[in-house]
Amino acid sequence: GDSVTQMEGPVTLSEEAFLTINCTYTATGYPSLFWYVQYPGEGLQLLLKATKADDKGSNKGFEATYRKETTSFHLEKGSVQVSDSAVYFCALSEESSNTGKLIFGQGTTLQVKP
Amino acid sequence: GAVVSQHPSRVICKSGTSVKIECRSLDFQATTMFWYRQFPKQSLMLMATSNEGSKATYEQGVEKDKFLINHASLTLSTLTVTSAHPEDSSFYICTAPGSSYNEQFFGPGTRLTVL
Repeated sequence: GDSVTQMEGPVTLSEEAFLTINCTYTATGYPSLFWYVQYPGEGLQLLLKATKADDKGSNKGFEATYRKETTSFHLEKGSVQVSDSAVYFCALSEESSNTGKLIFGQGTTLQVKP
Repeated sequence: GAVVSQHPSRVICKSGTSVKIECRSLDFQATTMFWYRQFPKQSLMLMATSNEGSKATYEQGVEKDKFLINHASLTLSTLTVTSAHPEDSSFYICTAPGSSYNEQFFGPGTRLTVL
């Protein structure tokens, strides 16, 4: 079945450092890809998404490009802030599903130190 | 954006009791809602799809008699954990799709602790 694999955390960075969180997927067809963020004590929020190959999703300085050739959707940010400390989840929505069912990666904890 | 609420946010119960968790779409209608479970420091796993006007669809390995789902209206789905045991302690999250199925709105989650 379809699956999502994220790099293991925690990832600890200093403020203003460059961030990359790797995400690769296995899926039949053309899934939609998402990054969700979960701040401490809160629910998940959509950070960005891409629905077809070569699409780039972006929001709040974060970017991710849908790479079908490498089945990847890596999350990047050029300069992280302490407020970016959270758990980040990569997810996919199966193309054949048409229901919104999401398959999540295991999550990557990001800790940004001042 | 659309808002999904859950109630209660936290619940502690004794082993053997039943607990009901509500999921509401506050400013939109949702004929479908999803229930996920998140173990500590782990990912979210889909438990079931709640369908208004019909039976829920459960994922493989999820006991439908233990996790009762009722989609009572276009804005409310409930998850009842029956005869709860400590291994049912988890973070339960519901979602509802927006205008397209690529747009999901998440509830804030319910932390269940079974003693």
